[in-house]
Amino acid sequence: DTGVSQDPRHKITKRGQNVTFRCDPISEHNRLYWYRQTLGQGPEFLTYFQNEAQLEKSRLLSDRFSAERPKGSFSTLEIQRTEQGDSAMYLCASSFSPGKSNTDTQYFGPGTRLTVL
Amino acid sequence: QKEVEQDPGPLSVPEGAIVSLNCTYSNSAFQYFMWYRQYSRKGPELLMYTYSSGNKEDGRFTAQVDKSSKYISLFIRDSQPSDSATYLCAIFKAAGNKLTFGGGTRVLVKP
Repeated sequence: DTGVSQDPRHKITKRGQNVTFRCDPISEHNRLYWYRQTLGQGPEFLTYFQNEAQLEKSRLLSDRFSAERPKGSFSTLEIQRTEQGDSAMYLCASSFSPGKSNTDTQYFGPGTRLTVL
Repeated sequence: QKEVEQDPGPLSVPEGAIVSLNCTYSNSAFQYFMWYRQYSRKGPELLMYTYSSGNKEDGRFTAQVDKSSKYISLFIRDSQPSDSATYLCAIFKAAGNKLTFGGGTRVLVKP
């Protein structure tokens, strides 16, 4: 399977614990995105990487959230001191966009469903 | 007011009917328009992509964009039970890189 993969698919944690999610994009995709989706809502943008550089962060990304893409391939999203309001599906997407192209077709992974008790 | 509005449904239709979905948006800077399909507990799957006003057809799916009215539509002909899913419109600004999604419309196609 050459699509976007995410691990784990499900995570249950207690409030106050730290969690880390991993995303493996489609090979050779230079852009990688994280979104959050709550029940009955569309995905909301969190952050975006072009290669290893984090170029944009949403106001939704509080200081408890950190994302990395150290070698421009896979990415991790860490949530520290989780709160019940962090319960959501965390989606990763990737795309290939040469140079400063304005077009960007994003392909999504299956998501990581986080439940904070 | 959200930048992209979409009726949450559910929209229930009999098999074989035409499904009509739409979104409205408020920001004229939006230039690229996409429709994603999302099955329960799965990630969104890209269905169609367009950037100009008018119609774009792909098999049973037709996407329609009216930039003057800031209104986009998706039509599904000869609907099948396997089309039962949530349909998300997503819009992309030329100057930015993030997708802005509507809330999704849940569609149920009954056999």
